Amino acid sequence: GAVVSQHPSWVICKSGTSVKIECRSLDFQATTMFWYRQFPKQSLMLMATSNEGSKATYEQGVEKDKFLINHASLTLSTLTVTSAHPEDSSFYICSASDRVTGELFFGEGSRLTVL
Amino acid sequence: QKEVEQDPGPLSVPEGAIVSLNCTYSNSAFQYFMWYRQYSRKGPELLMYTYSSGNKEDGRFTAQVDKSSKYISLFIRDSQPSDSATYLCAMSGAGNQFYFGTGTSLTVIP
Repeated sequence: GAVVSQHPSWVICKSGTSVKIECRSLDFQATTMFWYRQFPKQSLMLMATSNEGSKATYEQGVEKDKFLINHASLTLSTLTVTSAHPEDSSFYICSASDRVTGELFFGEGSRLTVL
Repeated sequence: QKEVEQDPGPLSVPEGAIVSLNCTYSNSAFQYFMWYRQYSRKGPELLMYTYSSGNKEDGRFTAQVDKSSKYISLFIRDSQPSDSATYLCAMSGAGNQFYFGTGTSLTVIP
């Protein structure tokens, strides 16, 4: 099956620094990529939807200046957590929609710990 | 009413049992139906992808879609301890929005 690569899988950073997470579709072109946040034993929480070449659409309550999303190509989207604080510590997951089949594939997730 | 309803469980079954997981939905425009398996601290893995109504089988897994009842199911035959995970249903229509169930936590006891 199609693969979505997410990197890094685990990152620890100091409070106030910025962290970038990459999401790549490896063998298909993704018209749309999605970013989620997931707390332990809870369901996925959609943060934003990004379409290649246009600005991301953020869900209500998600700060767009804090969670910068760039979708520069049909295979790459990035999420930058700016000026991270301990409350930003979470599991972040991306997904990509195959523009041909419509299937949705997820990355392996990135665990962010802010000290 | 939520777009997609899924019983969160938890569901606990003995090894070898047949597991039935279900979701209901309210939007008749949904055409694409997916089931994902998520292990702890991992991203969801696509198990089954179905377009419109009908059945689809892949090994021990069978997905059923009943659009008239707005009801989808995932059956796992001969369940194994390695099937213990959270199972998410998801669906979408013609656009690029996906709607998820809350996930059902399954434990298969050896």
